[in-house]
Amino acid sequence: RKEVEQDPGPFNVPEGATVAFNCTYSNSASQSFFWYRQDCRKEPKLLMSVYSSGNEDGRFTAQLNRASQYISLLIRDSKLSDSATYLCAVNRGSQGNLIFGKGTKLSVKP
Amino acid sequence: DGGITQSPKYLFRKEGQNVTLSCEQNLNHDAMYWYRQDPGQGLRLIYYSQIVNDFQKGDIAEGYSVSREKKESFPLTVTSAQKNPTAFYLCASSIYVGVTNYGYTFGSGTRLTVV
Repeated sequence: RKEVEQDPGPFNVPEGATVAFNCTYSNSASQSFFWYRQDCRKEPKLLMSVYSSGNEDGRFTAQLNRASQYISLLIRDSKLSDSATYLCAVNRGSQGNLIFGKGTKLSVKP
Repeated sequence: DGGITQSPKYLFRKEGQNVTLSCEQNLNHDAMYWYRQDPGQGLRLIYYSQIVNDFQKGDIAEGYSVSREKKESFPLTVTSAQKNPTAFYLCASSIYVGVTNYGYTFGSGTRLTVV
């Protein structure tokens, strides 16, 4: 099993749709979880940290499921500007550095 | 404004040359990292440093070297031993306390091409 896995997509959705991404991780000792957004040929930017209790930021909701070892990102009311690649990141057990998934590409169409 | 600066944005290397990529941050972060991104490969960790004058190899350190003489700076040298250096190189920094990482801030990256 890979350390961090994501469905590469692409997810092609119409404006206004709700879309969800999952990311599985293999190390049960991981403590820190994040979602990043990366636009084409740009650096990743932190979208959300993922907390045990779940967290919401406007149209974005992140959840953590420790039992099944995955995190999720839900985007409601998709906008054209949400088109990007979404990377999940998990810390490597007792180490502070992050392991990144390969990303899920989202394309929101008019 | 606080941030992390990488330079140059684009870099062309001839076969057999060593090149150094610059990374400077003014966020007062203790930890700094270098990743490489190739199409379809995601981000792979090259080196990281959690404190000045100390650094550790990541998953793909062969052919690379780093130094951490100042908290603000973490330059990466791509040596001639790196056989496939063409990639997008990303530097990041973070607050790191105990085993908790509070999330990375990335620089805008350097695109290295071997010519």
